Amino acid sequence: AQSVTQLGSHVSVSEGALVLLRCNYSSSVPPYLFWYVQYPNQGLQLLLKYTSAATLVKGINGFEAEFKKSETSFHLTKPSAHMSDAAEYFCAPDSGNTPLVFGKGTRLSVIA
Amino acid sequence: GAVVSQHPSWVICKSGTSVKIECRSLDFQATTMFWYRQFPKQSLMLMATSNEGSKATYEQGVEKDKFLINHASLTLSTLTVTSAHPEDSSFYICSASGLAGFNEQFFGPGTRLTVL
Repeated sequence: AQSVTQLGSHVSVSEGALVLLRCNYSSSVPPYLFWYVQYPNQGLQLLLKYTSAATLVKGINGFEAEFKKSETSFHLTKPSAHMSDAAEYFCAPDSGNTPLVFGKGTRLSVIA
Repeated sequence: GAVVSQHPSWVICKSGTSVKIECRSLDFQATTMFWYRQFPKQSLMLMATSNEGSKATYEQGVEKDKFLINHASLTLSTLTVTSAHPEDSSFYICSASGLAGFNEQFFGPGTRLTVL
């Protein structure tokens, strides 16, 4: 079964610094991949998705992720962190109309 | 984009009572809905998958008699927590899929359940 591993349960960056949240997938066939963001006491919001159309995917709020087959990775980045980016971020593979199995999540803290 | 709502957004109940949570797809027909629960500082854990008009499929370890799921229409699924106990206190999130041409799931805003 396809799964993902998110390295680092908590990442802390200074405001204006680069954000890098790591996600590695485990599959012989690259799946679709999603990044979701969850703000406190809220549901999940889709940040971006990889659907094999392009390896560099741009999402909302200035985030982007690059699919690297050689590294089985789909890391999420943002050039300059903003205080409003503080949230929980989840990576998930998509196998079609089956439930998403989320990574354990990475909590991003942004320090002023 | 597709919108999924949940009601209520939060609920407090006494131990032993039952609580119903509604999940609605507002602008599309959801052939499949998923129910997740999330404990503090943890990831989402899938509880069950429900397809419109059929019985829900529960994940291992989830009591189907305690967490009753009904998906009677293409826009509504309900989760009823029966005889709630304090350990059932959690954040319950639903998602829906079925929008033509899309594989992604659209998530509701979640329901915070506190059982006293």
